[in-house]
Amino acid sequence: QKEVEQNSGPLSVPEGAIASLNCTYSDRGSQSFFWYRQYSGKSPELIMFIYSNGDKEDGRFTAQLNKASQYVSLLIRDSQPSDSATYLCAVNVNYGGSQGNLIFGKGTKLSVKP
Amino acid sequence: ETGVTQTPRHLVMGMTNKKSLKCEQHLGHNAMYWYKQSAKKPLELMFVYNFKEQTENNSVPSRFSPECPNSSHLFLHLHTLQPEDSALYLCASSQDAGEDTQYFGPGTRLTVL
Repeated sequence: QKEVEQNSGPLSVPEGAIASLNCTYSDRGSQSFFWYRQYSGKSPELIMFIYSNGDKEDGRFTAQLNKASQYVSLLIRDSQPSDSATYLCAVNVNYGGSQGNLIFGKGTKLSVKP
Repeated sequence: ETGVTQTPRHLVMGMTNKKSLKCEQHLGHNAMYWYKQSAKKPLELMFVYNFKEQTENNSVPSRFSPECPNSSHLFLHLHTLQPEDSALYLCASSQDAGEDTQYFGPGTRLTVL
């Protein structure tokens, strides 16, 4: 069973702090990794994707990937109350063919306190 | 028109009813997906269509029947559902099935009485 694990939280950080969200995955063959943000009652919204080991930065967001440890994280700098949401980690897994599908974690609920 | 649209946004139905969910994407993508999101559970992939052909049926009960008449439209036909089928049903699309990023519609909140 291919799995994606996330701490469900809630993760509470003060405004202006760095929020660190973590995700581990079981499929060593996974090549694509995604972070989605989901506000309560809304659909998931893509924030970032990362394919290569190391860091990828986009504004206040940094995705970090370590394939050897099967670990992907999302850092949010200068956290704002508007960042309060559930963050979903998704990993592309393959079932023997060329097509892969996304497996999602349960999500980490982030709360940024003013 | 926004990227991926879904109708209706909310649906309440009895266990004997037949209803359909509709999804339309305006992104020129070739792959479309149905997901189910229940409380306290991760997003569950239900069906995948690539170039109108179903490429994945993730052990979904037959009371859920997908239809993809073209690359822009996707339907989910519902009949004789159970209360445990109450959930948020999300449609997504991507350029092609596989590695590409997926973009989600707003979802249909379904309640089965």
